[in-house]
Amino acid sequence: GAGVSQSPSNKVTEKGKDVELRCDPISGHTALYWYRQSLGQGLEFLIYFQGNSAPDKSGLPSDRFSAERTGGSVSTLTIQRTQQEDSAVYLCASSVGLAGRYNEQFFGPGTRLTVL
Amino acid sequence: GESVGLHLPTLSVQEGDNSIINCAYSNSASDYFIWYKQESGKGPQFIIDIRSNMDKRQGQRVTVLLNKTVKHLSLQIAATQPGDSAVYFCAENIRGGKLIFGQGTELSVKP
Repeated sequence: GAGVSQSPSNKVTEKGKDVELRCDPISGHTALYWYRQSLGQGLEFLIYFQGNSAPDKSGLPSDRFSAERTGGSVSTLTIQRTQQEDSAVYLCASSVGLAGRYNEQFFGPGTRLTVL
Repeated sequence: GESVGLHLPTLSVQEGDNSIINCAYSNSASDYFIWYKQESGKGPQFIIDIRSNMDKRQGQRVTVLLNKTVKHLSLQIAATQPGDSAVYFCAENIRGGKLIFGQGTELSVKP
């Protein structure tokens, strides 16, 4: 079946512009996660959504970052007034059932963001 | 955010040899650990997981060992193949699905 998809695959923007990154989770997965991966580094947790519960935003690096999930499915990560240090690969993942222990997270291919 | 940001260590092995990739985790309260494989240009792919009440778990050609005393995980790959070349990350579950990833190790398999 279809996996997690993300769009665009690549995004080049100018410093100060806003960007929106989209994630389509696996159908039926109730939990959705966003991570950031800088060049040559591990993944950094940003935010996760679980059903109708309030999202865990504890990883968002600044108030320029926000995310929403509409209808319990598609999610959009928005970065306002982008800075060069925002350049990274943004990865989305989803999991079935409750977010938490023992639920495998399936990752999308990521969106590579470059801020000039 | 929480992550370890260092240049990736690398491991180079000959095809057919066994590989051992090590990882130190940070939180003694973590109860679930996962190993991911990431190939260039792709998202991480699940390899194997282990719960904190276990010391060892085996999959197909892979084994994960957990030492809670020293907060250490290892991934053993038997008969390493060129297709195993990738970056390998360990991750620990802190709470509510939030995964904390290690720095990653780049595995290079020489034919």
